[in-house]
Amino acid sequence: DQQVKQNSPSLSVQEGRISILNCDYTNSMFDYFLWYKKYPAEGPTFLISISSIKDKNEDGRFTVFLNKSAKHLSLHIVPSQPGDSAVYFCAARLFFSGGYNKLIFGAGTRLAVHP
Amino acid sequence: EAGVAQSPRYKIIEKRQSVAFWCNPISGHATLYWYQQILGQGPKLLIQFQNNGVVDDSQLPKDRFSAERLKGVDSTLKIQPAKLEDSAVYLCASSSGGGTEAFFGQGTRLTVV
Repeated sequence: DQQVKQNSPSLSVQEGRISILNCDYTNSMFDYFLWYKKYPAEGPTFLISISSIKDKNEDGRFTVFLNKSAKHLSLHIVPSQPGDSAVYFCAARLFFSGGYNKLIFGAGTRLAVHP
Repeated sequence: EAGVAQSPRYKIIEKRQSVAFWCNPISGHATLYWYQQILGQGPKLLIQFQNNGVVDDSQLPKDRFSAERLKGVDSTLKIQPAKLEDSAVYLCASSSGGGTEAFFGQGTRLTVV
């Protein structure tokens, strides 16, 4: 049961342009959404998150938009830089009444930013 | 602040052999996760500890995988016996009680031949 889906396995963007990475989810109980970035041979690193009660969160060149009615979120990177080339994972958090939470990841989108 | 430490970084074993991975989470983090990431897929949660108790092991193949968290700090994940389909990167992560995000280690790349 894929609760978090990233339907684009790869994306190629020219340096300086906007990169838009998309993510869809099915469970309306998710309370936070997160984006992680992963370079080869390294673990995922946290990039940005958004609460389910917000529709936008911005951090420098990175902005995440949430459309709850469509169960869709997107990560915008402006302007894109070659160092942004990595695999980006969308993750969603479920919070349990026992006081713990669970992160569910999408399959990832490989972004390539070329000069 | 030191990050999540994992060892070894790489491991190659033959099928039916056993293997163990070690993780030291960020100091003070109560929650520890073990994820399996198969090439081309996202991380899949195998087991989650809250302090030294298991809160989720629903996707852990318990006939061959086991994990423990000693004194609520370090953790080991064991596979016995290994199968070819266990070839993956095994990621350990930790988070604090009030935090949103989990912090990942560099992972252990396991190849079963």
